[in-house]
Amino acid sequence: AQSVTQLDSHVSVSEGTPVLLRCNYSSSYSPSLFWYVQHPNKGLQLLLKYTSAATLVKGINGFEAEFKKSETSFHLTKPSAHMSDAAEYFCVVSSGGYQKVTFGTGTKLQVIP
Amino acid sequence: NAGVTQTPKFQVLKTGQSMTLQCAQDMNHNSMYWYRQDPGMGLRLIYYSASEGTTDKGEVPNGYNVSRLNKREFSLRLESAAPSQTSVYFCASTETGTPVGGYTFGSGTRLTVV
Repeated sequence: AQSVTQLDSHVSVSEGTPVLLRCNYSSSYSPSLFWYVQHPNKGLQLLLKYTSAATLVKGINGFEAEFKKSETSFHLTKPSAHMSDAAEYFCVVSSGGYQKVTFGTGTKLQVIP
Repeated sequence: NAGVTQTPKFQVLKTGQSMTLQCAQDMNHNSMYWYRQDPGMGLRLIYYSASEGTTDKGEVPNGYNVSRLNKREFSLRLESAAPSQTSVYFCASTETGTPVGGYTFGSGTRLTVV
């Protein structure tokens, strides 16, 4: 069995300050982990992915995430928030099979000017 | 632009009506998927097609049918719509069998059943 928990349903930051979106997972196998972003009324876009290579993964738009096996975490960070980062973010775990993909419930990021 | 195209973008149905959601991708991907998104529940897999000619049930298949018409197109049909099927539906595709490389999503269909 596998699961993913996004620890915050809403996060609010000021423009120019760091962003931290938290994700914990559980999996019986070596998982692949992903972060997706969804802007209002849009589809989901892949931000970054971890597939057992480097534990620090860099993605698009200045985002990065670190895979920590001992903590079963895959938190998403960005040094400086931009207004365009306001969106909903989904953490996803995959153990490889078609049905073994689990989406988190999402974290809505608000960026305050 | 290359990607996944879904039609329609919005739809309102009456309970008991039927409709088909269309999805097409132009990336020569082998696998295609239908998800539904409900508030506070993330995305849940309805059906998937690993390759042309095959379809399989996902987590929440009841009330839906699918057709993989060819490599490009994967449609989702609601035979008798129910209010519980009010949701946002996303089609997605991946190049290979398992989504290790990540999905490419369409922009969604917002369906309301009254």
